[in-house]
Amino acid sequence: KQEVTQIPAALSVPEGENLVLNCSFTDSAIYNLQWFRQDPGKGLTSLLLIQSSQREQTSGRLNASLDKSSGRSTLYIAASQPGDSATYLCVVGGETSGSRLTFGEGTQLTVNP
Amino acid sequence: EAGVAQSPRYKIIEKRQSVAFWCNPISGHATLYWYQQILGQGPKLLIQFQNNGVVDDSQLPKDRFSAERLKGVDSTLKIQPAKLEDSAVYLCASSWAWGTAGELFFGEGSRLTVL
Repeated sequence: KQEVTQIPAALSVPEGENLVLNCSFTDSAIYNLQWFRQDPGKGLTSLLLIQSSQREQTSGRLNASLDKSSGRSTLYIAASQPGDSATYLCVVGGETSGSRLTFGEGTQLTVNP
Repeated sequence: EAGVAQSPRYKIIEKRQSVAFWCNPISGHATLYWYQQILGQGPKLLIQFQNNGVVDDSQLPKDRFSAERLKGVDSTLKIQPAKLEDSAVYLCASSWAWGTAGELFFGEGSRLTVL
C-alpha cells in the first residue's frame, strides 16, 4: 500500500526566502506526481504535474523535481511572497490500472511580510 | 475552460437529516472523484467513476452515502441520514484520463456542517 509523507508539517519563513517542501512515497511504481496548493476554505489548485518519466517541471517561481528510485519529490519556491501562504499537498498516482491516487497530509506554509 | 463546478458551497443540517451535493466536471473528463476532507486532514477518496461506471467505492459508507453519475457527466453525492462525524468538505475532482494517468482538477468544495 502506497504511503505518502510530507515534511515538514508546517513551515514559517520571512518574505523573500527560497524554500523547499518535501514529499516522500514508499512505492516507486508510480505513474505521476502532482503538487497542489489549498487555501483555507477552498478546493485544491493544481500547481505542477510530473510524469514518472520526467525529472522536473517548472512554472514561474515553482520547480518540482522527482526522483522515482528514491521515492522523493521536492517543491522549490523561489523568492517567497505572503500570497504563497497556503497548504501544499502532493498526490501520487499509482502505476497500475487499478491504482488509487494517494495524498500526503500537506505542509502548511506561512510567509511573513 | 470552465473548471469543476460544485454546489452548494455551504450546507448546515441537523443530524439524521439528508443532504445532496452536485458536481459538474470539466467537459470531456472521463474520470470523476468524490473526496471527503475533514479539517486538518488530507482528502479521503469516497468514490471514483469512470464515465458512468464505479471504479472504486471501497471507502464509501454505503449504509448512508450514495453517489451516481448519470450519463457519465454530472454527479450527485447523497448522505442520508447524516451524522455529526460527516461534517467535512466534500471535494469533487475530475481528470481527462482513465485511472490515475491524467492531471487532476478540483472544484471549490461543499462544506457540510452537521449539528
